[in-house]
Amino acid sequence: EPEVTQTPSHQVTQMGQEVILRCVPISNHLYFYWYRQILGQKVEFLVSFYNNEISEKSEIFDDQFSVERPDGSNFTLKIRSTKLEDSAMYFCASSPTSSGNTIYFGEGSWLTVV
Amino acid sequence: AQSVSQHNHHVILSEAASLELGCNYSYGGTVNLFWYVQYPGQHLQLLLKYFSGDPLVKGIKGFEAEFIKSKFSFNLRKPSVQWSDTAEYFCALRPHNQGGKLIFGQGTELSVKP
Repeated sequence: EPEVTQTPSHQVTQMGQEVILRCVPISNHLYFYWYRQILGQKVEFLVSFYNNEISEKSEIFDDQFSVERPDGSNFTLKIRSTKLEDSAMYFCASSPTSSGNTIYFGEGSWLTVV
Repeated sequence: AQSVSQHNHHVILSEAASLELGCNYSYGGTVNLFWYVQYPGQHLQLLLKYFSGDPLVKGIKGFEAEFIKSKFSFNLRKPSVQWSDTAEYFCALRPHNQGGKLIFGQGTELSVKP
């Protein structure tokens, strides 16, 4: 069964550093997402991406965050100048369309900011 | 505002016991509803989904859920749990025709004692 894959599985970074989390969505999917889960809290939507642009973003997704699909397969989340409160599990997801289909999740990338 | 509420934070059952996990949502329009499961160290996996039609939906591994529109509920059930069902369970909604983002509940941790 096709899977969404994410790298790294765990990253520790110092506060203020930039982090790039990488994702390879399922190959025939058109919509891509990033979610995050701070330890002990809900899974929260960050951003959706379609046709090489952001289609929706949450209030969490401020100027510190950016996404891109640089080469047609990878889908990256960049966090500039990380803060302690950015420590969380970040999930990438993809779906064939924006509605009427299941959203498939990757295994997540644990980010620890120290 | 759109929200999902899961009533139980942690449920502990013995094997063969019946399971019901509560999920209520707040949204006035048409919704798609999902239950995802996250086994320890693994990614979010879809258990079952409701889009339309029969409000009683059956998923993988013997799980089912019933959509009760009048109660804004989508409770998850399984008649007889197994030790391997130990995991965290997330209810999620996707407002219809509002893009693909999911709104998650806070999750219910299920521990099944052998």
